[in-house]
Amino acid sequence: AQSVTQPDIHITVSEGASLELRCNYSYGATPYLFWYVQSPGQGLQLLLKYFSGDTLVQGIKGFEAEFKRSQSSFNLRKPSVHWSDAAEYFCAVAGSSNTGKLIFGQGTTLQVKP
Amino acid sequence: GAGVSQSPSNKVTEKGKDVELRCDPISGHTALYWYRQRLGQGLEFLIYFQGNSAPDKSGLPSDRFSAERTGESVSTLTIQRTQQEDSAVYLCASSPTQTRLETQYFGPGTRLLVL
Repeated sequence: AQSVTQPDIHITVSEGASLELRCNYSYGATPYLFWYVQSPGQGLQLLLKYFSGDTLVQGIKGFEAEFKRSQSSFNLRKPSVHWSDAAEYFCAVAGSSNTGKLIFGQGTTLQVKP
Repeated sequence: GAGVSQSPSNKVTEKGKDVELRCDPISGHTALYWYRQRLGQGLEFLIYFQGNSAPDKSGLPSDRFSAERTGESVSTLTIQRTQQEDSAVYLCASSPTQTRLETQYFGPGTRLLVL
């Protein structure tokens, strides 16, 4: 069965510091991978997605993610964090059938220190 | 254009009562999904609709949960005889089609509290 693991429940970084949020997936075939962000009081917003091709994908708000098949990982990165990046981040994989049904990780809460 | 809207934004009910949650997808989106987010947990798939096809109900946790959608319009999620473990945020999402390639656009959610 497909699954997604986000090992870090909570991360705190200083403003201006770099950020990496980890995501590991379990999936037999080529995965369709997503990162969503949920800011306080707002709905989920797509940051980026990977289907095929270049393993380094760029997203909105200066985020990027790298797909590593050998490690079954899809880690999210940002070179310099802003206070407005404080939010909850979810990694997700699309299910095995040709539907958009998403399987989410448990999320990582990012706190940004001034 | 308008995004996905959900109503009510908050709902408090007593154990054993029925509740109905509503989702208005983005106009023209044929696929509609319901997810549940329990406190401190990730999103859990409940059900999805694609046009006039039979819905995928594989994520519904019990027969107390049901959902309807007429064509490509509004959807309602009904929970009968609510239990305290049903307390969660219920999120609706829509996408232009049901394929894995599509971005899902999420509504703000309905926060359900069962006392």
